[in-house]
Amino acid sequence: AQKVTQAQTEISVVEKEDVTLDCVYETRDTTYYLFWYKQPPSGELVFLIRRNSFDEQNEISGRYSWNFQKSTSSFNFTITASQVVDSAVYFCALSEWTAGNKLTFGGGTRVLVKP
Amino acid sequence: EAGVAQSPRYKIIEKRQSVAFWCNPISGHATLYWYQQILGQGPKLLIQFQNNGVVDDSQLPKDRFSAERLKGVDSTLKIQPAKLEDSAVYLCASSLEWPNQPQHFGDGTRLSIL
Repeated sequence: AQKVTQAQTEISVVEKEDVTLDCVYETRDTTYYLFWYKQPPSGELVFLIRRNSFDEQNEISGRYSWNFQKSTSSFNFTITASQVVDSAVYFCALSEWTAGNKLTFGGGTRVLVKP
Repeated sequence: EAGVAQSPRYKIIEKRQSVAFWCNPISGHATLYWYQQILGQGPKLLIQFQNNGVVDDSQLPKDRFSAERLKGVDSTLKIQPAKLEDSAVYLCASSLEWPNQPQHFGDGTRLSIL
């Protein structure tokens, strides 16, 4: 069974500080996909990134970066130089190849960026 | 490109009443999902459609919840009768047909049961 754990429930930072969100997953499949979604106060879930289990190359996209490590089953997400608009709940999610496109979400991490 | 549309945005009902939610997915998206998000938790999949057919409804409380997707486009989710524990945000999402494509979500319907 697939499971996603986000141990941090809330993180509070001052603007321009970096924020790293932890995500640990469990799966028996060798082929799976990992996602990060952002949920601002308006409520809509916004897709940020998808990674498949065969692509451990880490990536930087603007102020966002991701660190995928299969050895530790972790898929961490970093916001560099945070801004007030980054305040939201961030969800890590997993889908297994054998389960179609079914997403299992973690409990989310609330990020509060103070000016 | 228009996003996933949902209505209503908010709904307040008394327990034991019935309620229905509507979703219109992104044009061309064959797969449609309904999620339940209880306050402070991550979304939980209720049902997944591929065109008209149900792919996964293993977590749908079938004694009170039902969903349909006629003509492979719009979908409705119904609760009858509602219980207090059904208070949540109901999110609709859609994706392309290929496996493990990103899901795109609507704004959700916030349901309060009195």
